[in-house]
Amino acid sequence: GAVVSQHPSWVICKSGTSVKIECRSLDFQATTMFWYRQFPKQSLMLMATSNEGSKATYEQGVEKDKFLINHASLTLSTLTVTSAHPEDSSFYICSARSGTGLNQPQHFGDGTRLSIL
Amino acid sequence: DAKTTQPNSMESNEEEPVHLPCNHSTISGTDYIHWYRQLPSQGPEYVIHGLTSNVNNRMASLAIAEDRKSSTLILHRATLRDAAVYYCILRDDGYGGSQGNLIFGKGTKLSVKP
Repeated sequence: GAVVSQHPSWVICKSGTSVKIECRSLDFQATTMFWYRQFPKQSLMLMATSNEGSKATYEQGVEKDKFLINHASLTLSTLTVTSAHPEDSSFYICSARSGTGLNQPQHFGDGTRLSIL
Repeated sequence: DAKTTQPNSMESNEEEPVHLPCNHSTISGTDYIHWYRQLPSQGPEYVIHGLTSNVNNRMASLAIAEDRKSSTLILHRATLRDAAVYYCILRDDGYGGSQGNLIFGKGTKLSVKP
């Protein structure tokens, strides 16, 4: 089955640091990738959608200058949390979809737990 | 995307069937019904999806009402590993110009008792 690998699994860093999270589709080409954020005991919130080679589309309320998304290839997307602060601590999950059929299932990574001290 | 309504939580006994309901009274003709589940501290996992007809796969079955305003995810024999939050999500086919994004609601937390 389709596998999405996310790295790192967890990261702890000081306030003001920038953190990069990688999301890779291992056995398929991901034309579209998604980034979600999940706070404890809450559901996933879509942050942004990116198509390979295009600028990401951000959901309302998500700061594009704070959460930089790059989708430079069909197998890799990165999310960089710039100048992270404690309120950015969360579980970040990426997802990828293959093909042009929008009804294709989305495949999710196992998430990155980000803790900002 | 049209909204779905699910019970907050359900309990099941191990090795018994589980029926997880989902109401989606405002579903449109182009909305597919998707089910995902999320185990603790993991990303969501695809379970099943359908449009009008009932669907079966190795994980579960999806029963869709004739008017499509509700659906039921059926786990035929629950195991302890099926304890998770189950999300019922409507996603359109995208031909109207949308990206067909998955928008998650609160889902149903399924507990399985040994």
